[in-house]
Amino acid sequence: DAMVIQNPRYQVTQFGKPVTLSCSQTLNHNVMYWYQQKSSQAPKLLFHYYDKDFNNEADTPDNFQSRRPNTSFCFLDIRSPGLGDAAMYLCATSREMRGTNEKLFFGSGTQLSVL
Amino acid sequence: DQQVKQNSPSLSVQEGRISILNCDYTNSMFDYFLWYKKYPAEGPTFLISISSIKDKNEDGRFTVFLNKSAKHLSLHIVPSQPGDSAVYFCAASEDNDMRFGAGTRLTVKP
Repeated sequence: DAMVIQNPRYQVTQFGKPVTLSCSQTLNHNVMYWYQQKSSQAPKLLFHYYDKDFNNEADTPDNFQSRRPNTSFCFLDIRSPGLGDAAMYLCATSREMRGTNEKLFFGSGTQLSVL
Repeated sequence: DQQVKQNSPSLSVQEGRISILNCDYTNSMFDYFLWYKKYPAEGPTFLISISSIKDKNEDGRFTVFLNKSAKHLSLHIVPSQPGDSAVYFCAASEDNDMRFGAGTRLTVKP
């Protein structure tokens, strides 16, 4: 089945130690997104790629970076995780940009803990 | 600035009864609205959507109603089933911007 896959399911890192989360998709969608979701809060968009074009949300901290080496894969790099970065990180894809009649396809998420 | 709000964090209903989940938004430019459903340990999955040119969209047991003047949408599930127990997220989009609510946890009791 075509899908969005995130690894690992759970990630534990130490305060200040760089960590990378990965996402892959078999849907061949143009757009890939990274969302951060903290407990009982709405998912918050960090950035997205339309093909190779990177788009950062204005309020995304510089501590968060992303790479998309090819259509199928996208990575979230947290350069120096703080305790406040502990959250669920959701990867999503869409065929075209979010907008009328487009829906997102989500991975299962990576739950990040920072010790 | 929370443009999409789901004011009820949780809802509990009896199997067979109607579940009504509510969502309010503040941006009148939103023109497409979606509901996603999330089971534990899974990502959100698309459930149903509605364009701003409509006020109702129905898909089986699920109906979404849109009241543009009140900036309010609701999801009705009739009849509710235990398998519907999940977290439901409301989302609204405009051009290249999609915003989510914080979710409502629905529990359907047998």
